[in-house]
Amino acid sequence: DTEVTQTPKHLVMGMTNKKSLKCEQHMGHRAMYWYKQKAKKPPELMFVYSYEKLSINESVPSRFSPECPNSSLLNLHLHALQPEDSALYLCASSYLQGAETQYFGPGTRLLVL
Amino acid sequence: AQSVTQPDIHITVSEGASLELRCNYSYGATPYLFWYVQSPGQGLQLLLKYFSGDTLVQGIKGFEAEFKRSQSSFNLRKPSVHWSDAAEYFCAVDGGSQGNLIFGKGTKLSVKP
Repeated sequence: DTEVTQTPKHLVMGMTNKKSLKCEQHMGHRAMYWYKQKAKKPPELMFVYSYEKLSINESVPSRFSPECPNSSLLNLHLHALQPEDSALYLCASSYLQGAETQYFGPGTRLLVL
Repeated sequence: AQSVTQPDIHITVSEGASLELRCNYSYGATPYLFWYVQSPGQGLQLLLKYFSGDTLVQGIKGFEAEFKRSQSSFNLRKPSVHWSDAAEYFCAVDGGSQGNLIFGKGTKLSVKP
């Protein structure tokens, strides 16, 4: 089973709201990733967690706050977003960080009004 | 710096025709290469990968790809395209120990009946 699940599928939020995206995998993977994908563009890496510790932060604005409460779960907390943050947010996981196959979830489509 | 180039933004083929999607990479060491497919509004599904060994790799859905080090290429092929293959295809190279996938800009495949 190579399934990564993400909730919610769709999210609409105002610029003053606080919301969270959730990602889960039960493959025993120790690395988890957040990507942002704008329309007609490839995914762009935001964060990498390895063994539940933040390994990479690709200079993402602080209005995006990742959290890895355990080895199966990855959250992305959103606060005071801007309309340009509207995108598809993809979660991925791999057995280890680096030189491994990443398996992607279906994504959360976010619209910021 | 590592990079991936997909020269074709959009390709249209007739159903039943053969397909080749091009991918060129720039990477200093032996690359880990991937092809992913993305249907509209969906996550990325792994089609196949190359890490080492046989340079012709087989994937899911009847796809195959050939790694050619001399040409820095990893082209994706399918002998007979089905209408359900219409999607966006991304070639990616693993950036190394950081685990950051470097994606090409993608090739959109349309299939004519």
